[in-house]
Amino acid sequence: GIQVEQSPPDLILQEGANSTLRCNFSDSVNNLQWFHQNPWGQLINLFYIPSGTKQNGRLSATTVATERYSLLYISSSQTTDSGVYFCAGDAGGTSYGKLTFGQGTILTVHP
Amino acid sequence: KAGVTQTPRYLIKTRGQQVTLSCSPISGHRSVSWYQQTPGQGLQFLFEYFSETQRNKGNFPGRFSGRQFSNSRSEMNVSTLELGDSALYLCASSFSTSPGTEAFFGQGTRLTVV
Repeated sequence: GIQVEQSPPDLILQEGANSTLRCNFSDSVNNLQWFHQNPWGQLINLFYIPSGTKQNGRLSATTVATERYSLLYISSSQTTDSGVYFCAGDAGGTSYGKLTFGQGTILTVHP
Repeated sequence: KAGVTQTPRYLIKTRGQQVTLSCSPISGHRSVSWYQQTPGQGLQFLFEYFSETQRNKGNFPGRFSGRQFSNSRSEMNVSTLELGDSALYLCASSFSTSPGTEAFFGQGTRLTVV
């Protein structure tokens, strides 16, 4: 199956700073998504981004499918951005519903 | 539109017991997938159901099973619980699993085996 590598594993920021999270895939992926896991464990959808660039407020994401990576940008970070960020995708074909996740990036934003 | 609903939210069980977890997908979604999250292994795929049929299965022992009902609600069962089964269990629903389909997750069931 596909392997997903996220970097950095940990990130500590001061409020107001910008950051970039990266996700590398070992093979081409379908249905690439970024999630933020809240303190109660729920995965909150940030972006569904198989290719191209999307923006939602202070967050934006870019996927370069041909080079098998995706980036999540957080600008003007806030303490509420703290938590774990995951990227995930599936290998297509018969990999029904099987998202493969990275190990996550733990983001801590200090006031 | 209601989101994905998982019940119960928390469970404490004893080794050797069995447990059933429930997942109600978003209305209109026919695919339900289950994942186990542990600190050591991260998020791992358990299985996926679509129209009451299991179409995909991860690398978990046969103690882990599931099913889907005609209304797309899904249950997963773990028999003969072990301490290592303590985890957050998440289910996801999607309209289908073709390319171009986004998955949405429930709040999870946190299972503790003592």
